[in-house]
Amino acid sequence: DAKTTQPNSMESNEEEPVHLPCNHSTISGTDYIHWYRQLPSQGPEYVIHGLTSNVNNRMASLAIAEDRKSSTLILHRATLRDAAVYYCILRDVGTSGTYKYIFGTGTRLKVLA
Amino acid sequence: SQTIHQWPATLVQPVGSPLSLECTVEGTSNPNLYWYRQAAGRGLQLLFYSVGIGQISSEVPQNLSASRPQDRQFILSSKKLLLSDSGFYLCAFIQWDGSYNSPLHFGNGTRLTVT
Repeated sequence: DAKTTQPNSMESNEEEPVHLPCNHSTISGTDYIHWYRQLPSQGPEYVIHGLTSNVNNRMASLAIAEDRKSSTLILHRATLRDAAVYYCILRDVGTSGTYKYIFGTGTRLKVLA
Repeated sequence: SQTIHQWPATLVQPVGSPLSLECTVEGTSNPNLYWYRQAAGRGLQLLFYSVGIGQISSEVPQNLSASRPQDRQFILSSKKLLLSDSGFYLCAFIQWDGSYNSPLHFGNGTRLTVT
């Protein structure tokens, strides 16, 4: 089962910031928090990931709570091209110590023109 | 740079026919490899993952199987397809950078329709 919970859907106006929340209350000390997004009919695309400190890249920012039980993906200025399903996932340990990644249902972001 | 290739992009197969989907990775060695399936309008379901040649872990056995005959090749197979096998099949990898902490990289997927 997915180790994260996200709202099913969110809406944002174009050119405004978007804050996408994710809860991961069972996170362990070594779990990285990954965010991906999936456009229609495409494979998921990496957005950002982090461990403890807030992270920034050209696509987004990731704000991680001090207790690491939640995080927020921040899109600073939403565009119509940002309309997608956003997934927040944690790395899980499978058989033989292998890392596996279980996706939940994600948050469907709708951007209004 | 690392790239991942999947083929075919689309496939229509009759019920009961066999299936073979191939995924190859370039530009990295010792990747962890993954097969996911996405049914229409649903989330991604992890099917199989592999840490090395011949090493396969299964999340959803059903009537699918996976093999890794070479370090950068991952194959998804079925002997007899079911209608419920229809979906969007995605291959992904994580490169070995000393810790496997780098992100997943996905291929463009194969859209399979079983008729």
